[in-house]
Amino acid sequence: SYELTQPPSVSVYPGQTANITCSGDKLGHKYAYWYQQNPGQSPVLVIYQDRKRPSGIPERFSGSNSGNTATLTISGTQAIDEADYYCQTWDSSTGVFGAGTKLTVL
Amino acid sequence: QVQLQESGPGLVKPSETLSLTCSISGGFISDYYWTWVRQPPGKGLEWIGYISYNGDTNYNPSLKSRVTISLGTSKNHFSLKLNSVTAADTAVYYCARVTGPPVLGSGALDYWGQGILITVSS
Repeated sequence: SYELTQPPSVSVYPGQTANITCSGDKLGHKYAYWYQQNPGQSPVLVIYQDRKRPSGIPERFSGSNSGNTATLTISGTQAIDEADYYCQTWDSSTGVFGAGTKLTVL
Repeated sequence: QVQLQESGPGLVKPSETLSLTCSISGGFISDYYWTWVRQPPGKGLEWIGYISYNGDTNYNPSLKSRVTISLGTSKNHFSLKLNSVTAADTAVYYCARVTGPPVLGSGALDYWGQGILITVSS
């Protein structure tokens, strides 16, 4: 079965850039999606189709996807960005999530 | 604004069937795909399966033998059944809308319910 690999944790200082990676076999040939989840809340879509931002998502969130790795980039990270982030893709119509990355804003 | 709401019993006994309903307001089932995702306490998200507006389904291979997702009799809800549950099925269960056909890989989960905690225990 298809697998997506994320680092368990990423730390960043306020104002710096956070990069969260998601790796999978030929992931660049598929679309990658990113979700933000705060404690006790439902996930929120922050990036879809590799690099598109839904309405209401700040411009500091961006995405890329090439080769075997998709990356969620948060520029000028703020304290409110501290959350769990999950990547997701579809493999033969089957949904696949990464294990999640906890972003800590120091 | 589309809103989704999960409902069902919070406690299910081992070996029994978990049944949940997702009610949709502010929109209809037509033209979209709909999915269930679960999250065990303290763990990550697990995709369960989806159903299309015309009833096509696909399930997580690890759950396929125990899962059924179906459309409601009205156009504003769909359901999940998971049979032969064990403690490992204890999780928060979410329903969500999928914006495009998964077969094309183009579907984002853009609206989510608030989730419902289901505990499997005797």
